[in-house]
Amino acid sequence: DIQLTHSPSFLSASVGDRVTITCRASQGLNNYLAWYQQKSGEAPKLLIYGASTLQRGVPSRFSGRGSGTEFTLTISSLQPEDSATYYCQQVNYYPFTFGPGTKVDIK
Amino acid sequence: QVQLEESGGGVVQPGRSRRLSCAASGFTFSAYTVHWVRQAPGKGLEWLAFISHDGGRIIYADSVRDRFTISRDNSKNTLYLQMNSLRGEDTAMYYCVRDGWTSATGSHFDIWGQGTLVTVSS
Repeated sequence: DIQLTHSPSFLSASVGDRVTITCRASQGLNNYLAWYQQKSGEAPKLLIYGASTLQRGVPSRFSGRGSGTEFTLTISSLQPEDSATYYCQQVNYYPFTFGPGTKVDIK
Repeated sequence: QVQLEESGGGVVQPGRSRRLSCAASGFTFSAYTVHWVRQAPGKGLEWLAFISHDGGRIIYADSVRDRFTISRDNSKNTLYLQMNSLRGEDTAMYYCVRDGWTSATGSHFDIWGQGTLVTVSS
């Protein structure tokens, strides 16, 4: 199975900061990687797919990059409502797997 | 409004069975691959199973193969997950998910239900 790791696992930043989360895969994924946001008590929400395609309705401060085994999710200007856990997911091979998540806290 | 709504969760004794349902509305259910994903309390997301739009292709995670069965009834716009021989480690929120697959970007889980909680306990 494909293993995904996140770095960092937790980050605390201020409103307006630029934050970047990295997801690394144990094998190459082409561009078949998605990012999700999950707020406390809610279902996950799709942010980015195909490594860099922004899901309809998601604010443009979210962006994704990468290919192969290393991918990043960037929030260009952190907002209070971005406090959540963020997960990457590989969809290149079954079984689809999720990373362990990065918890983002607002200072 | 495009949505998925799970039902069937609750408290179940170890070794017993439970069937979860997921009702789809607001889109052409029969045109989409759908999946089940679960999340144990305080833990991350675990993909469980997928079924193609016509039910012709099914894949399971190793953790549930031989115990769980995914199925769908396109005439009722409903997805199912039959769970047998339940264990404590199956305690989780269970989500049904629509796959918005495209040839360029691959699979992506674009619509999620609100989840239904299954607690396996005596």
